[in-house]
Formats: sequence, C-alpha cells, structure tokens
Amino acid sequence: DIQMTQSPSSLSASVGDRVTITCRASQSITSYLNWYQQKPGKAPNLLIYAASSLQSGVPSRFSGSGSGTDFTLTISSLQPEDFATYYCQQSYSTPPYTFGQGTKLEIK
Amino acid sequence: EVQLVESGGGLVQPGGSLRLSCAASGFTVSINYMSWVRQAPGKGLEWVSVIYTGGSTYYADSVKGRFTISRDNSKNTLYLQMNSLRTEDTAVYYCAREARVRGAPFDYWGQGTLVTVSS
Repeated sequence: DIQMTQSPSSLSASVGDRVTITCRASQSITSYLNWYQQKPGKAPNLLIYAASSLQSGVPSRFSGSGSGTDFTLTISSLQPEDFATYYCQQSYSTPPYTFGQGTKLEIK
Repeated sequence: EVQLVESGGGLVQPGGSLRLSCAASGFTVSINYMSWVRQAPGKGLEWVSVIYTGGSTYYADSVKGRFTISRDNSKNTLYLQMNSLRTEDTAVYYCAREARVRGAPFDYWGQGTLVTVSS
C-alpha cells in the first residue's frame, strides 16, 4: 500500500503569512494527489485535485504543486478562515486510497 | 444541487452490526465511484471502501471481511453493512463521491454519521 507522509503535523502562523505544507508518497503516484481542508465538526472540503488544479469556488490564494512522490500545498496569504486541518490524499491505481495524517494550522 | 445525506449511525456493542445509508440527490450513484471514509474521534481521515460503477468493490485491510459496501440504484442510495464491530471502528463515517476528473478526488461529501462501538 502507498503511504502518505505530511509535514509538519502542526503549524502556527499569522494572518497574511505564506504557508507551505508538504506531502510525500512512498512511491510515485504521478499527479494523483488531492488536498482537502477540514474544519472542526465538518466534512472535508476539496481544495486542489490532480496535484495542481484548483477546485471550483476555492480562493486563488491556495495552490498546489509537485509530481511523482513530493507535493506541496501553498497558501499565499493566510486569512482567518484558513485556520483548519489540511489533508493530502492519493488515488493512484487500485485502492486502498490513503490520506496523510493531517496538518493542523493554528493562529500564532 | 448535489447532496449526500448519511444515516444509520448510533451506539452498538462490540461484535454487533449496523448498516449505514447514504442517500444521494442531484446525481446518479450508479454511474459514479462512491466511497466511505471514516474519522475516529480526534484522529485523521481513513478511507474505508469504494464501489465502482461496474460493481467492483475494495476495502481497507482494517475492515476487510467485516464490512460490505453496496448500492440500491432504484433508491439512489449507498450502503455500508458493518458486522463484527470493534471498539476501534468508533468514528464518524462519511460517504463521498469520486469526481470523474484526473486525480479522482472526492468532490462531494456527506455530513457524516457517528458510530460508537462500546459496551
């Protein structure tokens, strides 16, 4: 099974900061990498799919990059509503699909 | 408007069974890949199972042999039959639609239903 490792597991930042979260796959997943945002008590919300495609309705301050095994999610200028937990997820080949362990983004 | 509404969660004793339902509207379940994803209290997301349009099914090792995913096309509803439940199955269970785009992301999620396995 493909393992997904996110870093950091938690992060403190301020409004207006540029933030980067990384995700590493245990083998190549080409660009089958997706990013989600989850707020407490809510279902996850799709932000980025296929490594770098912005989901409709998601603000352009969110961006994704990478291919193969190494991927990043960048928030260019943090807004108050961005404080949440972020997950990467791979859907390469046959299941099981796997998620990273999550990155909790907190207010500094 | 696409909507997914889960139901069927609750408190069950270890070794017991429960069937979760996910009623879909705004799209057709049978022509989409549909998954269940769970989240234990305070923990991360764990993919559980998927059913493909052709009926093929896959499961996480942690539930294989105990859980069964299915759908009722006439009701446009997805199910998860959970047998031999363990305390570690306690979680919020979400159903999710897999988008038919590169990357195959989960583009729509239900609100989740809580399953608590405890004596």
